[in-house]
Amino acid sequence: DADVTQTPRNRITKTGKRIMLECSQTKGHDRMYWYRQDPGLGLRLIYYSFDVKDINKGEISDGYSVSRQAQAKFSLSLESAIPNQTALYFCATSVPTDHTGELFFGEGSRLTVL
Amino acid sequence: GQNIDQPTEMTATEGAIVQINCTYQTSGFNGLFWYQQHAGEAPTFLSYNVLDGLEEKGRFSSFLSRSKGYSYLLLKELQMKDSASYLCAGLDSNYQLIWGAGTKLIIKP
Repeated sequence: DADVTQTPRNRITKTGKRIMLECSQTKGHDRMYWYRQDPGLGLRLIYYSFDVKDINKGEISDGYSVSRQAQAKFSLSLESAIPNQTALYFCATSVPTDHTGELFFGEGSRLTVL
Repeated sequence: GQNIDQPTEMTATEGAIVQINCTYQTSGFNGLFWYQQHAGEAPTFLSYNVLDGLEEKGRFSSFLSRSKGYSYLLLKELQMKDSASYLCAGLDSNYQLIWGAGTKLIIKP
């Protein structure tokens, strides 16, 4: 089983619908992240959380919200999906004491907004 | 602004050596990462450099020159399974990762 699990893996939805992508991890890491990946662009950070009570915006947070329900769970919501949110979304975790900042990624959630 | 530049695509032959270059401009610098990403899969960590010089890990090596804002990933004895995208990422002064768009490496027999 994967240490960082994302659901759903694939989702097709329509403009205006609310979508939630869920991430759970068994690595025991405090830090969790949501990224999106688009062809020809680098990974872009949407939101990150260093602890259950800590939520921080990344570079492209507009149109997204997150919830850190527990140390192991970090959910990403699109309140009203639009076509330019079609992308591959990755959840990731890291260890705060690891100065290398190595990220451990989930398998990705491919979202298509029609 | 902050920027990471790397070639979009490279082609190499099985058994050969390939060098993937990356230049970076970040606000402050706390290290340079390389990740490997196979098509449709998650990125996986390959290397981290914070000091100048070469770090070797088996068939893969990573080099950093902070004065030049330059890094490269060297892959030796290429295997077909090395066909993947290679992502360069710089860690800025706020410990935020700035990602390049990735270099797609195609290995031919």
